[in-house]
Order: sequence, then structure tokens, then C-alpha cells
Amino acid sequence: DTEVTQTPKHLVMGMTNKKSLKCEQHMGHRAMYWYKQKAKKPPELMFVYSYEKLSINESVPSRFSPECPNSSLLNLHLHALQPEDSALYLCASSQQGFGGELFFGEGSRLTVL
Amino acid sequence: KNEVEQSPQNLTAQEGEFITINCSYSVGISALHWLQQHPGGGIVSLFMLSSGKKKHGRLIATINIQEKHSSLHITASHPRDSAVYICAVRFPGGGADGLTFGKGTHLIIQP
Repeated sequence: DTEVTQTPKHLVMGMTNKKSLKCEQHMGHRAMYWYKQKAKKPPELMFVYSYEKLSINESVPSRFSPECPNSSLLNLHLHALQPEDSALYLCASSQQGFGGELFFGEGSRLTVL
Repeated sequence: KNEVEQSPQNLTAQEGEFITINCSYSVGISALHWLQQHPGGGIVSLFMLSSGKKKHGRLIATINIQEKHSSLHITASHPRDSAVYICAVRFPGGGADGLTFGKGTHLIIQP
């Protein structure tokens, strides 16, 4: 199994909603990442978990809250988002903490109304 | 400043043509990734290189460490190869994930 699975594929939410994005991998990778990608732009790193601990938070607003319940799962909790947060949210994993080949999921397309 | 430049930005070719996409970077690196992204879709990692050449099916990736340059080649191109190809470079002591992404090359293969 060489997949990173993200759910849901599409999400529409209002600015007062609370929702979550989920990411799962069963490759035994110990680093997991959240990226945000706007149209026609490269991905921007949001968070990195290494061995289930938050290693990096790239100055992301608190309305985005990551969670890593175990080594296979990564969540991104969303609350009080703004329309400008609409984007493709990509999850990735790598075998080592940093430096390994990245495996990306298909992404969750988020629209904030 | 650590920079990654890709060329061309856009490329349209006919089915069957040999395709070359280039990536140049400003300083020494520890690894370079070639990634593929179909419209509206997720990202697929094609190659990770630190030296030499790798081949997978119709795709070939090369890297010249001295010239700070990498190329991605597609042989016998097919319309399903139409996608954005992204070069991402790992600079020593780089950002949190160590990656700097290029702006991508938008490839269209016409039947």
C-alpha cells in the first residue's frame, strides 16, 4: 500500500461551521505534512508532524488546528474559516522525519462561503 | 536566496513527441523531486534524485549537480501526460520540510 488517502475530496462550509479534513497512510511513515495550494500556485507548507509530534507550524492562523492521533492518521480541524481559505489542502507523508521521498494524497478541495 | 526556476512555464506538443522540462536551482542541494499534478488533482511523486539519472516507464529524470540543473524527459508523449510538472528542491538547512517548489510547467499533449 503506497497510498495517502484524504477525505473528504470536496468540502463546502460556511464561515461559522466546524469541519475536519482527514489523512491516512499505512506505509509506516513517521512524518506527515499538511500543505495548502491555491490555484496555479505551488503548495505552501502549513504543518509538519514527526513521530506524532508537531514539529513545525508555519505561522498558520489558529482557525486551522492539526491533530495526529497516531502514526497513521493526520487531521486538520477547521473553524471560523474565511473565504480566502478556500484552496486545495494536500496531505503528504515521508519515511524519515525529514528528507525522504514525499508521498502526496489527492487533496481535499475546500470552499468557504 | 535559494531559488528554483523551471522552464518552460507552458508547453504544448503533439502526441508522440519527446518532451523536456528543465529545472535550475541557485545553490547546492541534497535532493530534487519531480512531481506531477493533474488539473484539480493531487500530487504524484515521480522521482527523487540526488545524482545521476532515473527511469520509470516513459519518464526519465537526470540531474547535473555541478551545473545545478535537472531535466525531466517524457518519451512517446500521450494526452494522459497532460499535467503540471513541478520541480521541488531540498536545500540544506532549508525550510521546515526543506523543500522549495518551482512554479511548475503546464504541459498539454494534443492527440
